[in-house]
Amino acid sequence: ETGVTQTPRHLVMGMTNKKSLKCEQHLGHNAMYWYKQSAKKPLELMFVYSLEERVENNSVPSRFSPECPNSSHLFLHLHTLQPEDSALYLCASSQDFQRGGHEQFFGPGTRLTVL
Amino acid sequence: GQNIDQPTEMTATEGAIVQINCTYQTSGFNGLFWYQQHAGEAPTFLSYNVLDGLEEKGRFSSFLSRSKGYSYLLLKELQMKDSASYLCASMDSNYQLIWGAGTKLIIKP
Repeated sequence: ETGVTQTPRHLVMGMTNKKSLKCEQHLGHNAMYWYKQSAKKPLELMFVYSLEERVENNSVPSRFSPECPNSSHLFLHLHTLQPEDSALYLCASSQDFQRGGHEQFFGPGTRLTVL
Repeated sequence: GQNIDQPTEMTATEGAIVQINCTYQTSGFNGLFWYQQHAGEAPTFLSYNVLDGLEEKGRFSSFLSRSKGYSYLLLKELQMKDSASYLCASMDSNYQLIWGAGTKLIIKP
């Protein structure tokens, strides 16, 4: 595997379910990100981890819970979601956080549908 | 507040040139990124500008004017595979990327 991978690619869940999204980066990067992408809206940064420490949490509802067990893996745990949470969830990584010029590498995303 | 503006959609002809504009207002500035995103795929990095001027990379070029809060992405010799969304993002003083909603580029034969 190369780059950034995400599983599952598609997920349909009910509002009472609990599920987790997984992201893995094979680039040796120190920073990882979760984004939400809704149709015709800008990417919304949800969480940032740098060297496994959470450094940003942009007012995200508590029904989204991130976990970063090591610098290569990032999870997003989901519970009691709402239909408006349906979106594409993208994971990204970059060499470092808080350094200019370092592009972010994105995974293919998980298309989440909440019924 | 922080804001990125870019056109929602543009149409161009195969073989032609198209310019996608982006204006930004962010708290501080640490560079301007352009990404390409094909439908159903991950965004991929195209360019980064932090100094004023034009950066050329093959068929794609990116321009920045910091004083005007303005950037553009220039695509030459358009190919059908260039049909995609183009995302503009400004890096603010906290090194967070502030994203535009993207410009959907439609290429016609």
